[in-house]
Amino acid sequence: QSALTQPASVSGSPGQSITISCTGTTSDVDICDYVSWYQHLPGKAPKLMIYDVTKRPSGVSNRFSGSKSANTASLTISGLQPEDEADYYCTSYTSSSTYWVFGGGTKLTVL
Amino acid sequence: EVQLVESGGGLIQPGGSLRLSCAASGFTVSSNYMSWVRQAPGKGLEWVSIIYSAGTTYYADSVKGRFTISRDNSKDTLYLQMNSLRAEDTAVYYCARVVTYYYDSSGFYRESYYFDYWGQGTLVTVSS
Repeated sequence: QSALTQPASVSGSPGQSITISCTGTTSDVDICDYVSWYQHLPGKAPKLMIYDVTKRPSGVSNRFSGSKSANTASLTISGLQPEDEADYYCTSYTSSSTYWVFGGGTKLTVL
Repeated sequence: EVQLVESGGGLIQPGGSLRLSCAASGFTVSSNYMSWVRQAPGKGLEWVSIIYSAGTTYYADSVKGRFTISRDNSKDTLYLQMNSLRAEDTAVYYCARVVTYYYDSSGFYRESYYFDYWGQGTLVTVSS
């Protein structure tokens, strides 16, 4: 069982918006602004999409945005496109010896 | 262009040893924090180990005492020596570069902790 809780799957139609939640605890997401999100296609290297809760790396579409409220972080993808179909993972740095905790991943299906 | 390429995975019997390699290009391994992260079949990602630029190392409790992270600065290569392997170590192992700080658009120093580049992974299967 993963330390952070994500929905197993979400889906949306092209052009729609979806949000993936990532729920942690008072030991990680709640007290830490080092939440990041990764897009992962099978057989490929995971790709950084969001870091420090809300920041987008250079080259990542502004259709991707991040937010956080208390112990739940969220990734929102607006204007869904077929190429957004992938697994998405959240992670939070922690102050414990675990260093990072990850979510179990969410499979996004673009209908 | 930053690239990370893992190798060394394979099928190994329980109790056996394996060494994974991660060849880096486009940056200097010794100047960065580097980590290993794994993903067991059907499961989420799990952080395994980190090596600081100064050489300090840390491990997840699940691998402490059995795995050793190291690097060869002359080859820009990261390693993970895995001993006393167990069935539960079966996973795809990824190496990743760790960002611990950056300077924002205003030039201010910002502390952070995330993985900015990953390799494609190498599969380790522990089975008799």
